[in-house]
Amino acid sequence: DQQVKQNSPSLSVQEGRISILNCDYTNSMFDYFLWYKKYPAEGPTFLISISSIKDKNEDGRFTVFLNKSAKHLSLHIVPSQPGDSAVYFCAASRRGGSNYKLTFGKGTLLTVNP
Amino acid sequence: DTGVSQDPRHKITKRGQNVTFRCDPISEHNRLYWYRQTLGQGPEFLTYFQNEAQLEKSRLLSDRFSAERPKGSFSTLEIQRTEQGDSAMYLCASNRDNSNQPQHFGDGTRLSIL
Repeated sequence: DQQVKQNSPSLSVQEGRISILNCDYTNSMFDYFLWYKKYPAEGPTFLISISSIKDKNEDGRFTVFLNKSAKHLSLHIVPSQPGDSAVYFCAASRRGGSNYKLTFGKGTLLTVNP
Repeated sequence: DTGVSQDPRHKITKRGQNVTFRCDPISEHNRLYWYRQTLGQGPEFLTYFQNEAQLEKSRLLSDRFSAERPKGSFSTLEIQRTEQGDSAMYLCASNRDNSNQPQHFGDGTRLSIL
């Protein structure tokens, strides 16, 4: 039973445009959410996180939005760059932070075309 | 900060053999996590430690799997009597308790069962 779902296996955007990656979750106990980026042959790299007490968190070109009523979060990358091409994983945790097991989605492959 | 280190990067073995992987977390990180990732899936939680204490094990961790962190620093994950279904990427992550730091991942050990 997938508690964290990334329904788009892939996404292709033009350099300079906005990339929007989506994630849905089913477990209402999740209260902390993270996005990781993964290049081939490397481990996941942390990008940005958001607590359930917020609805938006911004870090440079990356913004994460959380809609708790819809159990939906999204990652916006503006402007997109070719170096952003990677697999993006959405992850969730139940205990208000990163000090507990993470539940991951299946990932979305983002391709940014020059 | 030298990052999370995992050894070996690749392991190829015959079915029925035992294998052991090592993870060296970032120094002073007292929490250490093991995840497994198969093709087309996100990482799945296996177990985690706080210092030398193993606090939780997933039901994915059958009796053939054992993890240790004897001195609260590096950790080992052993798989006995390997099966075809054990082929996966085994990822280790670490962070500091109560710091709300994200989990930092190593580059993983890819296990292939012949």
